[in-house]
Amino acid sequence: EVLLVQSGGEVKKAGESLKISCEGPTNSFDSYWVVWVRQMPGKGLEWMGVIYPDDSDTRYSPPFQGHVTISADKSTTTAYLQWNRLKASDSAIYYCARGVVATTIYLDSWGQGTLVTVST
Amino acid sequence: SSELTQDPAVSVALGQTVRITCQGDNLRSYYASWYQQKPGQAPILVMFGKNRRPSGIPDRFSGSNSGNTASLTITGAQAEDEADYYCNSRDSSHLYVFGSGTWVTVL
Repeated sequence: EVLLVQSGGEVKKAGESLKISCEGPTNSFDSYWVVWVRQMPGKGLEWMGVIYPDDSDTRYSPPFQGHVTISADKSTTTAYLQWNRLKASDSAIYYCARGVVATTIYLDSWGQGTLVTVST
Repeated sequence: SSELTQDPAVSVALGQTVRITCQGDNLRSYYASWYQQKPGQAPILVMFGKNRRPSGIPDRFSGSNSGNTASLTITGAQAEDEADYYCNSRDSSHLYVFGSGTWVTVL
């Protein structure tokens, strides 16, 4: 069983910066993609972007491009999701997941989620 | 279109069969994967590729594809199957998108 462990919940104010993390298993971390998914309160899943930790190849979904930064450190087997200036609308649960490439990417293991609360 | 369309909710009697559908133009070219999410929990993968189930997922779950529609079928639905189900696939820009989700009620 692959275990992705995410950092704890955060309470921030609008305009502040934030970096949350997702730690993966030591073996094979750099052989899979890591995907970040947003779930706003009472809403569905949204694909934010994906990173391949081995070479940091990163791709963002258009709604998130320019507002978040996805990064990874393969030496610590940790992926990150970062905001420079939070908005109240960033309040959500953020999940990381391991992406396995077949003909398409499927997400076979998920972190427990990080709840981010942003106040105005 | 890069959107995946799902019915918001369906219901099924205990032990009966329910089909959850996902429509999108790119499903003619790419397989969908399916995720189950129970309230307060992280999603889990229940189906991927051409009708492939991860280990630990009961065989009452099956998948199929026809034209622009991917389907997840639960044959003999159980109370523990009550959850949101999301499809996911590649879109025309080679990124990925989730469907809007279907809540399954087991009566």
